[in-house]
Amino acid sequence: GDSVTQMEGPVTLSEEAFLTINCTYTATGYPSLFWYVQYPGEGLQLLLKATKADDKGSNKGFEATYRKETTSFHLEKGSVQVSDSAVYFCALSENYGGSQGNLIFGKGTKLSVKP
Amino acid sequence: ETGVTQSPTHLIKTRGQQVTLRCSSQSGHNTVSWYQQALGQGPQFIFQYYREEENGRGNFPPRFSGLQFPNYSSELNVNALELDDSALYLCASRRSSSGANVLTFGAGSRLTVL
Repeated sequence: GDSVTQMEGPVTLSEEAFLTINCTYTATGYPSLFWYVQYPGEGLQLLLKATKADDKGSNKGFEATYRKETTSFHLEKGSVQVSDSAVYFCALSENYGGSQGNLIFGKGTKLSVKP
Repeated sequence: ETGVTQSPTHLIKTRGQQVTLRCSSQSGHNTVSWYQQALGQGPQFIFQYYREEENGRGNFPPRFSGLQFPNYSSELNVNALELDDSALYLCASRRSSSGANVLTFGAGSRLTVL
């Protein structure tokens, strides 16, 4: 079945460091790909998405490119801030003739950014 | 616009008991889904409701059941609680007409089963 694998954390960085969180997926069709973020005590928030190959999702300085050839959707940010400390989840959703399947999540990567 | 609200935020039950968790969808959203997030894991899909009927289910036993009401609010019921049911339960909503599966999540209900 479909699955998402993301790098295990925790990841600890200094402020202004470069961030990469790796994510690869297995899917039978042509899924949409997502990054969600979960701040302490809060629900998941959509960070960015991409719906087809070579699409780049971006938001708040974060970027991820849908790479079909490597089945990857790595999250990057050029300069992290303390406020980026959170748990990041990679997810996919299969497309079934216009309707959407449920979200399948990776296990999450905890990011801590030190001042 | 209001977001997704869930209640209660925390609760403790004992093994064998039953629990009901509640969710109010974001205004204008007619599809609701529930996810279970065990500690240190990603959320896992339980089921989805649209027009008051279940139209998708993950790998969860029948003792997990749900309801969706005409105002799009929703309930998750779990019978015969087991220790492994301890988790954060997340409700999420979206418009059925939206393109990619962009969900709005609530903050969750944290269930502890003793």
